[in-house]
Parts: sequence; structure tokens; C-alpha cells
Amino acid sequence: NAGVTQTPKFQVLKTGQSMTLQCAQDMNHNSMYWYRQDPGMGLRLIYYSASEGTTDKGEVPNGYNVSRLNKREFSLRLESAAPSQTSVYFCASTTGGWSGANVLTFGAGSRLTVL
Amino acid sequence: AQSVSQHNHHVILSEAASLELGCNYSYGGTVNLFWYVQYPGQHLQLLLKYFSGDPLVKGIKGFEAEFIKSKFSFNLRKPSVQWSDTAEYFCAVKWGNQGGKLIFGQGTELSVKP
Repeated sequence: NAGVTQTPKFQVLKTGQSMTLQCAQDMNHNSMYWYRQDPGMGLRLIYYSASEGTTDKGEVPNGYNVSRLNKREFSLRLESAAPSQTSVYFCASTTGGWSGANVLTFGAGSRLTVL
Repeated sequence: AQSVSQHNHHVILSEAASLELGCNYSYGGTVNLFWYVQYPGQHLQLLLKYFSGDPLVKGIKGFEAEFIKSKFSFNLRKPSVQWSDTAEYFCAVKWGNQGGKLIFGQGTELSVKP
């Protein structure tokens, strides 16, 4: 089982360039999330999708857009990258709802550097 | 807006010392509570979770946490830490009236000296 797969693992961008981080899960999970992790800031929620067809803003959505392409895939797009978006990005998924099985499974992370 | 606070940013302990890491969250209602751990160079892993029932929750590796609803707290404890517990620990909260939103605290870095 692959779990949650993120691509790319590493990316260097110049200020103003655009890119899309891809995330796919094979666990038939309903909910998917994008977080960024910065030293001393923990994980901050960028966007989430509680179920296929819905997306909602998290704590730090500015400068990002998302697409829940289907139940498996949830992409994060930076339209015009800024140095402040240099971070490690994690995709995660979970069954959703309100059950005891509702635990996040994380991808391996994507390290993005914006020069 | 919902928030989760971890008051200790960096904790340094000697082996066999007891550990307590604080976690508080903003306003109440029905919540699901989690502690995750991230060992150096690894993914986040679940330590323990609270959904309902007994507010004292036991997790892996001897960790436990207590949910105190009146204090909006979910502190993590371990009676005797080991060098292998060196990691970063994250508290996370999901509110029942906010759909799927799941918010993490800032994290606490634990260093255990052998």
C-alpha cells in the first residue's frame, strides 16, 4: 500500500514562478489536507477538503489554491511563489467524519525553496 | 478562530525524568484530540487520541494524556523518558462543529540527555 504519495519531493522556484504540488491517496479516505511546516510554527493548515467536491480555507490560505480532483487526489497550487512560501509541505488524509478511526495519514513531505 | 497552544517550545530532560507537555485549545464544544510525534527525519506518527469516554488515554511507548474539558487541556505525560523519546511532539484538535478542520499546535521539541 502506497498510502499518501506527494510529488515532487524537492523543488526550487524563483519568485513569481508557479507550481503545483500533487497528492494522491489510495486508502479510500474522504478528507484530505495540506499543511506547511516551518521551524517554531508547527504545522499550519493551508486548505482542507472534508469530502470530494468540497474545499475550505485553513489557517494560512493566502497565496495558495487547491483542487480536489477526485476522491483520491488533492493538489496545491502556488500561482506566484514568494520567499515566504519556502517551507515543507505535507499532504494528509483521513477517513473523515467523527469516528475513532479518524487519524491522519501523512505523506513524506515536499520541500519547497523559493529564491 | 480556533487555535491550539503548546506552551513549551523546547524541553530538555535527563533519562528517567518524568515528562509533561502542555496543550490547550480555544473554546469548547465537542472535540477530538490527538498527540503526534515526529522523530528526526521521519513522518509524523500518532501517539494517542481521544474521541470519547475515559478522559485518561493511553498511547504507544508508555505515553498517556488526560483530557480536562473544563480547562480545554490535553496534556501529554510519560513517567520516565528515554533517550529514544527525543523528538518533536505536536498536539492537534478537531472541532465537531467545524467540519473536517484539524489544527495543530506549534510543537514542543523534546531533547533527552543520556
